[in-house]
Amino acid sequence: DGGITQSPKYLFRKEGQNVTLSCEQNLNHDAMYWYRQDPGQGLRLIYYSQIVNDFQKGDIAEGYSVSREKKESFPLTVTSAQKNPTAFYLCASSGVGSTNEQFFGPGTRLTVL
Amino acid sequence: GQQVMQIPQYQHVQEGEDFTTYCNSSTTLSNIQWYKQRPGGHPVFLIQLVKSGEVKKQKRLTFQFGEAKKNSSLHITATQTTDVGTYFCSFSGTYKYIFGTGTRLKVLA
Repeated sequence: DGGITQSPKYLFRKEGQNVTLSCEQNLNHDAMYWYRQDPGQGLRLIYYSQIVNDFQKGDIAEGYSVSREKKESFPLTVTSAQKNPTAFYLCASSGVGSTNEQFFGPGTRLTVL
Repeated sequence: GQQVMQIPQYQHVQEGEDFTTYCNSSTTLSNIQWYKQRPGGHPVFLIQLVKSGEVKKQKRLTFQFGEAKKNSSLHITATQTTDVGTYFCSFSGTYKYIFGTGTRLKVLA
């Protein structure tokens, strides 16, 4: 059963702690993406990767870091430098090319206390 | 950078009424995609349009891409409570996707 998994679904952390969000896909997609969604808002791109061992900053990369050591995995670390980290985080993947749809994971809802 | 504006931001309709959301860009788009996100869920791909003036239908949903490829619309005929959610348009920029701000639809039974 192909798809994208994100874990955990809900995550609570204390202010000042780094936290890593997991994203795994078995769709054999080359491209992967991280988005942030705030209540009632659209999707804002944090980071994206077109190929293993390469990634680019999106529109709101400050306070976040990623790695892409394997094609299937694209973890996102929310660092203590991110001023307002409480949000809904969505991971997505797609084939490379402008006509490919994006497949989204179920999301992780991060709350920083 | 490239952006797409979506209107309206919110829409409340009575069940059985029609609904339309519009997506507008100041620049020509190579393609347009539409996604639906149910409350508490994740965006799910609905359709992609690539040709000028293209019209596609999925049951009660009709999607249009403008002749100039700068705007698009999603029309739902006779809304049902299952249509509740936020509808996003998106297009592929250079190596990444740009999403509109979304239209949140509420259907009153």
